[in-house]
Amino acid sequence: DTAVSQTPKYLVTQMGNDKSIKCEQNLGHDTMYWYKQDSKKFLKIMFSYNNKELIINETVPNRFSPKSPDKAHLNLHINSLELGDSAVYFCASSQGRGVYGYTFGSGTRLTVV
Amino acid sequence: SQKIEQNSEALNIQEGKTATLTCNYTNYSPAYLQWYRQDPGRGPVFLLLIRENEKEKRKERLKVTFDTTLKQSLFHITASQPADSATYLCALDVGGYQKVTFGIGTKLQVIP
Repeated sequence: DTAVSQTPKYLVTQMGNDKSIKCEQNLGHDTMYWYKQDSKKFLKIMFSYNNKELIINETVPNRFSPKSPDKAHLNLHINSLELGDSAVYFCASSQGRGVYGYTFGSGTRLTVV
Repeated sequence: SQKIEQNSEALNIQEGKTATLTCNYTNYSPAYLQWYRQDPGRGPVFLLLIRENEKEKRKERLKVTFDTTLKQSLFHITASQPADSATYLCALDVGGYQKVTFGIGTKLQVIP
């Protein structure tokens, strides 16, 4: 049973397109996150949701719009994709503040051409 | 400015030896610090968490220390094995609600 699952695993698309990444967790956690890992392997938080409510929005362009239909799902929609959006996007979840650690998905590698 | 520093260079170590990885931070007062392992093409996997009032935490062959005066955490793997080869990330709870900031990681290579 996959704890945090993301789809798709790979996404190749042209500049200007709109795409979505889906994330689901079956751990019963109440908090979910999107992280971006760039080519230098730096992992940076983008968004955090707690019980479907947006908690953190870390200076991310408004072309990125997260949506949490329920506490088990957190999707990421990206409009007007740019070359600089190419990265690996990780979804994660935790119970509360994460004092038992975060559980990450296996990532979505987005390549914008 | 706030910084989390880990040796970004690879650390090579002989099998059976103890690997020690360092995480230094500046201008943070973290409530706790976490260590993760990341393998190529995979997401980070949580290993250990240590709170600001704890000096040391152990789990099997892993040991983490946390010195809030030095602003440093050390991560030790004893009796290292080639299967321990991976990138190890430290992460700080930097305050604010449910927000953890990651260092860039140290790539560990255990040589048979």
